[in-house]
Amino acid sequence: DSGVTQTPKHLITATGQRVTLRCSPRSGDLSVYWYQQSLDQGLQFLIQYYNGEERAKGNILERFSAQQFPDLHSELNLSSLELGDSALYFCASSLTRQGDASEAFFGQGTRLTVV
Amino acid sequence: DAKTTQPPSMDCAEGRAANLPCNHSTISGNEYVYWYRQIHSQGPQYIIHGLKNNETNEMASLIITEDRKSSTLILPHATLRDTAVYYCIVSSPWGKKLTFGTGTRLTIIP
Repeated sequence: DSGVTQTPKHLITATGQRVTLRCSPRSGDLSVYWYQQSLDQGLQFLIQYYNGEERAKGNILERFSAQQFPDLHSELNLSSLELGDSALYFCASSLTRQGDASEAFFGQGTRLTVV
Repeated sequence: DAKTTQPPSMDCAEGRAANLPCNHSTISGNEYVYWYRQIHSQGPQYIIHGLKNNETNEMASLIITEDRKSSTLILPHATLRDTAVYYCIVSSPWGKKLTFGTGTRLTIIP
């Protein structure tokens, strides 16, 4: 158990809909990262938050957005869903102080299926 | 972040040491080498990381060459549960994103 909790574990929804994926980081971790992994594909970095602020952005679609709340949990919002958005979505967290090379720990993911 | 090159696949006999190489010739002075693995569709699992010295923990050893242009992850006594995709990642500290490449698919053979 990595200590990172993602909910829900599975989600099935229709095209055009909007969903919210939730991530609770490990206790004390300030950074949250979101990744997308399509079937048999690599992990694509989407976005990183540090202590409530966006810190790095990857190939995140405009239809997707995220935020990190004061209690440090994070949500990834996916809207106007398309079939191609079906994927595993992983959240990771790390402590990440300046100069700190702390490792990131991943949750078990949310499997999103768009039908 | 520097780019890494790994062989796409490797086999290793159960009980033997698995040595997974990684090239990172463009690594810069403040970048660390991280290793993760992903078993089937589970969340990636952190294994080990290092800057320039060799590192060892309960899971593995990390050997980094003196010029830091390559490294080797060593699983000392591979078991069937070590079958996974192993990712070598180079990243600066201070929380920058971890960029995953295609990794090495390691298969442990009974």
